[in-house]
Amino acid sequence: NAGVTQTPKFQVLKTGQSMTLQCAQDMNHEYMSWYRQDPGMGLRLIHYSVGAGITDQGEVPNGYNVSRSTTEDFPLRLLSAAPSQTSVYFCASSYTGDTQYFGPGTRLTVL
Amino acid sequence: GDSVTQMEGPVTLSEEAFLTINCTYTATGYPSLFWYVQYPGEGLQLLLKATKADDKGSNKGFEATYRKETTSFHLEKGSVQVSDSAVYFCALMSSGGNMLTFGGGTRLMVKP
Repeated sequence: NAGVTQTPKFQVLKTGQSMTLQCAQDMNHEYMSWYRQDPGMGLRLIHYSVGAGITDQGEVPNGYNVSRSTTEDFPLRLLSAAPSQTSVYFCASSYTGDTQYFGPGTRLTVL
Repeated sequence: GDSVTQMEGPVTLSEEAFLTINCTYTATGYPSLFWYVQYPGEGLQLLLKATKADDKGSNKGFEATYRKETTSFHLEKGSVQVSDSAVYFCALMSSGGNMLTFGGGTRLMVKP
C-alpha cells in the first residue's frame, strides 16, 4: 500500500512552458485534492474532485487544469507556467472528505 | 468565508517544556477541526481532530479541545521532544463541506 504518490519530486520550468504534475493513490479514495504551499500562507486549495469524472475549483484555480478519469489518478496541469506558480504542490486523498492523506509534494520553480 | 488564524512562529522550546500553539477560527455552523503536522521534507499528516464542541482530540501526547464559545482549538503538549520539531497546521472543514481551510502554520523548534 503506497498511499499517495507524486511525481516528480522537483521540477524547474521556464516561463511559458507547460507540464503535468502526477498524483496517484491506491486506497480507493473518492476525494482527491491539489494544494499549493507558500511561505506563511499555509496550504491553499487549487482544485478538488469528489469522484471520477467530477472536478471543481478551489481557492486558487487560475492557471491550473485538472481531470479525473479514474479513481486512482488526479493529474494537475500547468498550461503556461509563470513565476507566481513557484511553490510546493501537495496532492491529497480522502475517503470521507475530512481526514486527508497527503503525498510527499512536488517542489516547482518557474524561472 | 471560513478562516483559520494561528500564532506565528517560530516557537523555540527546550526539551521537556510545555507547548501551546494557539488556533482560532471563523466559520458558520459547526465545523470539524484538525491539527496536521509536517516533518521536514515530508507531506502533511493528521495529528488529531475533533468534530463537535467540547470534544478533545489527542494523539502522541498532543491534545486540543474544541471550544465553540471562544472559537478556538489550541494545541498543547506537556513535555516536548526534539523529535516534535516540525510545522503544525490548524485546519477546519465546514459542516456539509468537503474542503479543508488551513491556517498559515507554526514552526516548532525543540532544542536538546
